[in-house]
Amino acid sequence: GAVVSQHPSRVICKSGTSVKIECRSLDFQATTMFWYRQFPKKSLMLMATSNEGSKATYEQGVEKDKFLINHASLTLSTLTVTSAHPEDSSFYICSASLPEEGPQHFGDGTRLSIL
Amino acid sequence: AQTVTQSQPEMSVQEAETVTLSCTYDTSESDYYLFWYKQPPSRQMILVIRQEAYKQQNATENRFSVNFQKAAKSFSLKISDSQLGDAAMYFCAYRSASTNAGKSTFGDGTTLTVKP
Repeated sequence: GAVVSQHPSRVICKSGTSVKIECRSLDFQATTMFWYRQFPKKSLMLMATSNEGSKATYEQGVEKDKFLINHASLTLSTLTVTSAHPEDSSFYICSASLPEEGPQHFGDGTRLSIL
Repeated sequence: AQTVTQSQPEMSVQEAETVTLSCTYDTSESDYYLFWYKQPPSRQMILVIRQEAYKQQNATENRFSVNFQKAAKSFSLKISDSQLGDAAMYFCAYRSASTNAGKSTFGDGTTLTVKP
């Protein structure tokens, strides 16, 4: 089945640091990937849709300059949290789906902690 | 815009018993997919079961089955012979079949506790 790999799984860093999270589709090409943020015991909140070769589409209220998304190839999307602050601490998860197939295939998520 | 509602924030079930998780959705589309995902404490998202809207037959996957009522826009999940490993947060999700983008709408989730 389709596999999505997300790296790193855990990041702890100081306030002001920029953090890059990678999302790779290992055995399929993903022209579109999705980035979510999840707070404890809450649902997935869609942050943005990552489009290969073009600009990402951000959901309302998500700061484009804070959360930079790059989708440079058909198998890799990256989310960079710029100048991270403690309020950016959260669980971030990516997903992709095969064209004309239903379900999302999720990465294992990244737990980001900003001190 | 589509919405997905899970009205049960928490549910509990005795091991080996059966439990049903509720989900309703709102859409004006006729062709779409519905899913149930499981998120255990590891926080990995796992697909439990899927249903295509054009199929009248309810999907089943071993101990998991759905009751899909298209007219009522209802999509409940039944877990039979519950096991300790079923304890998790369960999300109902909707995806339009009209685009290839794959964007899904998720419900708020139901936390399932399984009592030994």
